[in-house]
Amino acid sequence: DTAVSQTPKYLVTQMGNDKSIKCEQNLGHDTMYWYKQDSKKFLKIMFSYNNKELIINETVPNRFSPKSPDKAHLNLHINSLELGDSAVYFCASSPLLANTEAFFGQGTRLTVV
Amino acid sequence: QKEVEQNSGPLSVPEGAIASLNCTYSDRGSQSFFWYRQYSGKSPELIMFIYSNGDKEDGRFTAQLNKASQYVSLLIRDSQPSDSATYLCAVNDQTGANNLFFGTGTRLTVIP
Repeated sequence: DTAVSQTPKYLVTQMGNDKSIKCEQNLGHDTMYWYKQDSKKFLKIMFSYNNKELIINETVPNRFSPKSPDKAHLNLHINSLELGDSAVYFCASSPLLANTEAFFGQGTRLTVV
Repeated sequence: QKEVEQNSGPLSVPEGAIASLNCTYSDRGSQSFFWYRQYSGKSPELIMFIYSNGDKEDGRFTAQLNKASQYVSLLIRDSQPSDSATYLCAVNDQTGANNLFFGTGTRLTVIP
């Protein structure tokens, strides 16, 4: 069974479109995250979310918004896609306890053309 | 944004040698440190974590932490070609969200 799963695995879309990436975890974790990995392989946190608070990295454009219908899901919505949004996006989850590892999904490669 | 720095490499070692990967971090208050391995086209997977100063060993892997020097390292003994990957150092955010801040990764190639 996949612990953290994302769909789709690949996403090719045109500039200006709105798209969503879905993420689900079956680990019973309380906190979920979205990370962006650019072409230089730098992995940078975008959001973290639990049932109490959403923490947004201030460098993330407001075209990006996380949506959590329930504790096991954290979807990423992106409006007005730009060429620079092309990257691999990873969903992750971890327990609420401090100092614990994050478990990553398989990633979604987004290409904006 | 917390700074986590690694040599990007590439680092090449012969099979059977010791690979040494290094990482420094800027936030002196950081408490937990992680090493992830990422194969090309795959997601990061945890190799080791360390919280206390000193060494922590797990099989062929040893993590070393020196909080005074703000330095963490990963040693891979008896390196195998299957160890060829990018190794990511990560530092935990001290907020309640457990955010991880990653270095840019070191590309390791083990030559048969």
